Amino acid sequence: AQTVTQSQPEMSVQEAETVTLSCTYDTSESNYYLFWYKQPPSRQMILVIRQEAYKQQNATENRFSVNFQKAAKSFSLKISDSQLGDTAMYFCAFMKQWSQGNLIFGKGTKLSVKP
Amino acid sequence: GAVVSQHPSRVICKSGTSVKIECRSLDFQATTMFWYRQFPKQSLMLMATSNEGSKATYEQGVEKDKFLINHASLTLSTLTVTSAHPEDSSFYICSARDLGALNTEAFFGQGTRLTVV
Repeated sequence: AQTVTQSQPEMSVQEAETVTLSCTYDTSESNYYLFWYKQPPSRQMILVIRQEAYKQQNATENRFSVNFQKAAKSFSLKISDSQLGDTAMYFCAFMKQWSQGNLIFGKGTKLSVKP
Repeated sequence: GAVVSQHPSRVICKSGTSVKIECRSLDFQATTMFWYRQFPKQSLMLMATSNEGSKATYEQGVEKDKFLINHASLTLSTLTVTSAHPEDSSFYICSARDLGALNTEAFFGQGTRLTVV
C-alpha cells in the first residue's frame, strides 16, 4: 500500500522569504502522480502543483516549485517570496494511476506566513 | 478551473437521524466522484469512489450501509449518513473528475461540516 509522510506538522516563514515543505512517500509503482494541495481556513482544497513521476523535470507554477527525487521517493515543495495569503495547511498527495483518480494524502503541514 | 459545489456547508442533526450531502459538478461531467472525511487537524481519508451509474466502491473500514452514496447522474453525487451518531461528526469533502477528459485533475467541493448532537 502507498503511504505519504509529511514530517513537519507546522512551519513558519517571514513574508517575502522562501520556505520548503517536505514530503516522502512509499510505493512500488514505477509511474504515478504527486500533488501538493493547499487548504486555507475556508477548507477549500486548492491544487498547487502536480508532478508526473515519468517526468524528470521538476514542476513549477509561478512562486511554487518542487524538488522531485524519484529514487529517494521525496517530493518537497518550495514556496518563494512567501505571501500572507500562503498561510494554510499544505497536503502532499499521491495518485497511483491517472485512470483511478483517488488520492492518498499526507497528514499535512500547517504553514504560517508572518508579516 | 472547474467548479464543484457541495451543499450544505454546515449541518447539525440529531443523533439517530439521517443527513444528505450533495456534490455537484457545475461545468463539467463528473464521471467519477470521491468522498473524503477529514477529522480535526488531520488529513483527508478516502471513504468511497463512485462512478456514474454504478455502485460505489468503499474503502476498507467504511460501512456502506451507514454511508450511502448515490451517483445517478454525471453532475450529482450524494452522500447520506444514516442513523447518525456523534462519532460521525466530521468534515466531509467531495471531489469530482471527468476521466473521459485527458489531463484533468480532481476538483474539490467546499466541504460539509457535520455535527451530530
